[in-house]
Amino acid sequence: DAKTTQPTSMDCAEGRAANLPCNHSTISGNEYVYWYRQIHSQGPQYIIHGLKNNETNEMASLIITEDRKSSTLILPHATLRDTAVYYCIVSPVLYDKVIFGPGTSLSVIP
Amino acid sequence: DTGVSQNPRHKITKRGQNVTFRCDPISEHNRLYWYRQTLGQGPEFLTYFQNEAQLEKSRLLSDRFSAERPKGSFSTLEIQRTEQGDSAMYLCASSLAGSLGQYFGPGTRLTVL
Repeated sequence: DAKTTQPTSMDCAEGRAANLPCNHSTISGNEYVYWYRQIHSQGPQYIIHGLKNNETNEMASLIITEDRKSSTLILPHATLRDTAVYYCIVSPVLYDKVIFGPGTSLSVIP
Repeated sequence: DTGVSQNPRHKITKRGQNVTFRCDPISEHNRLYWYRQTLGQGPEFLTYFQNEAQLEKSRLLSDRFSAERPKGSFSTLEIQRTEQGDSAMYLCASSLAGSLGQYFGPGTRLTVL
């Protein structure tokens, strides 16, 4: 599986956009980019995925660079409830298991 | 509630005792996964089932660990002769084969004294 690199921690002011970067320079052509988050004392929660095109859902937007070597998860209006660890994962289409890295700890500050 | 449920939520046991955890997946999901998470780390994959077949086991799953999914619905994870190093959060997730996204339960926190 391709490896990902994320910053260890980030802060974001409440109400502002949170932009979480992820590098995946060795991603293969058939591998998706997935994002999960884990709020303290809860199980991880699937957020969004993408292959080549940018994606948006009710939770977030995913921007993937044209060369697919990096991506950014955007939370457009961060709230205190978005404080969590965010995991960026790359994996083939029919993936069996999720390989989590250490993720980015996002703190949304009032 | 139609999400993934896990029981118990917390378990405290003495070293050397056996423990068993249960996971009830989302009803139509045919894949079920177990992960372990220690403090400050991301979850680590342990094993997964498609229906009742156990398709993969991590090398983290020593011979003291056994998982079953006898009827392709709920699953149990048993740890025999627990050790202090087994203290962790045990997470269960489910999905439809080939779908893009797993749904996690709240976890069972195990403390081995």
